Amino acid sequence: ILNVEQSPQSLHVQEGDSTNFTCSFPSSNFYALHWYRWETAKSPEALFVMTLNGDEKKKGRISATLNTKEGYSYLYIKGSQPEDSATYLCALVAPYNNNDMRFGAGTRLTVKP
Amino acid sequence: DVKVTQSSRYLVKRTGEKVFLECVQDMDHENMFWYRQDPGLGLRLIYFSYDVKMKEKGDIPEGYSVSREKKERFSLILESASTNQTSMYLCASSLSSWGGGQVGYTFGSGTRLTVV
Repeated sequence: ILNVEQSPQSLHVQEGDSTNFTCSFPSSNFYALHWYRWETAKSPEALFVMTLNGDEKKKGRISATLNTKEGYSYLYIKGSQPEDSATYLCALVAPYNNNDMRFGAGTRLTVKP
Repeated sequence: DVKVTQSSRYLVKRTGEKVFLECVQDMDHENMFWYRQDPGLGLRLIYFSYDVKMKEKGDIPEGYSVSREKKERFSLILESASTNQTSMYLCASSLSSWGGGQVGYTFGSGTRLTVV
């Protein structure tokens, strides 16, 4: 069974703060890692797909890094804005099951103006 | 704009009712998925399908069935709804296997089902 853990479960920051959260997974079971942003009443939206150890991806103020050897990925948000408020999900694709993504429980981010 | 459409945003059903949750995608994707999301838990896979009339059980298929008669439509069926099936249900689709390749999954906006 793949366990994908996300921490913290929830986070409250002030507008302008930078923040980061973690996704950890068994390092022996890795094909790809996905990050999604899920705003209330909307569909989860794909942010990043990461496959290589040391990958670093960026989209505007949001970036992510990947360490497959130690089994973690960080998501960073620089200068948080209220519109960044959402649940951030990570999901692991395992090498032995090509139609299965294992999701973490998510980090719920609230950015206060 | 590509879309996965779930027929209802909110549903309230009675215990024992047969419930149909519909999902339609307009991207000609082979793979379609049904997940449920509960507080404190990740999205959990109920069923998926990689082709018309094909279906595979996910982690929590008990109490559910699915139907995929056409490529664009994947229906989740609760044969006899129970209160422990109260949840947010998400449908997703992908063109390729392996987590949707470099694009990932496209999700619907969810159906919040309450069974009373």
